[in-house]
Amino acid sequence: DILMTQSPLSLPVTPGEPASISCRSSQSLLHSNGHYYLDWYLLKPGQSPQILIYSGSNRASGVPDRFSGSGSGTDFTLKISRVEAEDVGIYYCMQGLRTPPTFGPGTTVDIK
Amino acid sequence: VQLQQSGPGLVKPSQTLSLTCAISGDSVSTNTFSWNWLRQSPSRGLEWLGRTYYMSQWYNDYEVSVKSRITINPDTSQNQFSLHLNSVTLEDTAVYYCARWDHEAHLFDTWGQGTLVTVSS
Repeated sequence: DILMTQSPLSLPVTPGEPASISCRSSQSLLHSNGHYYLDWYLLKPGQSPQILIYSGSNRASGVPDRFSGSGSGTDFTLKISRVEAEDVGIYYCMQGLRTPPTFGPGTTVDIK
Repeated sequence: VQLQQSGPGLVKPSQTLSLTCAISGDSVSTNTFSWNWLRQSPSRGLEWLGRTYYMSQWYNDYEVSVKSRITINPDTSQNQFSLHLNSVTLEDTAVYYCARWDHEAHLFDTWGQGTLVTVSS
């Protein structure tokens, strides 16, 4: 299985300030079709997970443009340009290149 | 597309956890998506458990750690799929989700509402 790691595991944030989460995979997530199959999901309190970013850098439908994803190979980053109070929750990166899909341990984002 | 989960929230140790996910707006027999079960707990994070999908015939894949205890079945007459996890222990306490996987985009695009299942005597 592909092992996923994230840092930090806890991220206190100040509204209006930027935030960044790193994700690393144990092997390259590059598919032969040129896509990186790395997704970011957000689990808000009391809700189901929602897709934020897919294929490394593509924002899912309806996701605010303050969220952006980047990276290649085994190293990926999720950035929030200006954190809002509604962004609190657990952020997971996930590789979709190989079965089983595997998730990072999660980064808990809360307001300072 | 919507996924509606149902099933008990309390299961006794050694018994079987059973949940159902009803699909609206799509067909369980589609060959574009697969139908998955995942769970989330503070100690284990998000964990994929398994899937069922149809591509000329029915297939199943299961996470190795639960493979001996898990069954995921499609029900074409009711357009739904189910999860059965037997011999549960306290470690199986989690929020369980059903989710649709897009074969082309390689992502979970639709999730059920989640069911908190507590294993306790």
